[in-house]
Amino acid sequence: EVQLVESGGGLVRPGGSLRLSCEVSGFIVDRYAFHWVRQIPGAGPEWVSIISANGDYIYYADSVKGRFTISRDDAKNSVFLQMSSLRAEDTAVYYCTRGHASGCLEHWGQGAVVTVSS
Amino acid sequence: SYDLTQPVSASMALGQTGTITCGGINLQFKIVHWYQQKPGQAPLLIIYWDNKRPSGIPDRFSGSRSGNTATLTISRVQVGDEADYFCQVWDSNVAVFGGGTKLTVL
Repeated sequence: EVQLVESGGGLVRPGGSLRLSCEVSGFIVDRYAFHWVRQIPGAGPEWVSIISANGDYIYYADSVKGRFTISRDDAKNSVFLQMSSLRAEDTAVYYCTRGHASGCLEHWGQGAVVTVSS
Repeated sequence: SYDLTQPVSASMALGQTGTITCGGINLQFKIVHWYQQKPGQAPLLIIYWDNKRPSGIPDRFSGSRSGNTATLTISRVQVGDEADYFCQVWDSNVAVFGGGTKLTVL
């Protein structure tokens, strides 16, 4: 069974940092790209970042570029999102997702809540 | 930035067939995917590559596209289909989601 489990969410002050982790299982991890997507309750999802299967292809949404860094450690079956210079508008549920060749986000984790507030 | 337009809400009669649309500039040149999201849950992929269903998704869900509008069709609508529905495409190395359509089953 494909599983993606996020961790590392929490409350952080504006300007602070947080690192989200996503532990995956049930498939061969180095064959897939991964994405982070965030969502404010009541709003549509907002794509944040992608890392390709070999790690060479990385893109970010303009809203997080220069502040967030995506990475992966296939030996640990894990994907990460390092978030710095956090702002109130970064408050959301963050989902780790597995990508598909078609460009869809095929499997989603349960989400990690990030709250940026003083 | 690229925008996808969806109606904010839609209603469908129990047991009947209904549609949800997704529009965008040059959508005819993009691949469209659809997700279903129920309260408190993560989005679930229900249609990919315009009209393909992942394993486990009922054939009551189908996707199509005509010009710059993509359409999600739900046949024999059930109460359990009440959810938010989002379309998604890629544009300039960025995944873009529509604002979502809240489906109510009457």
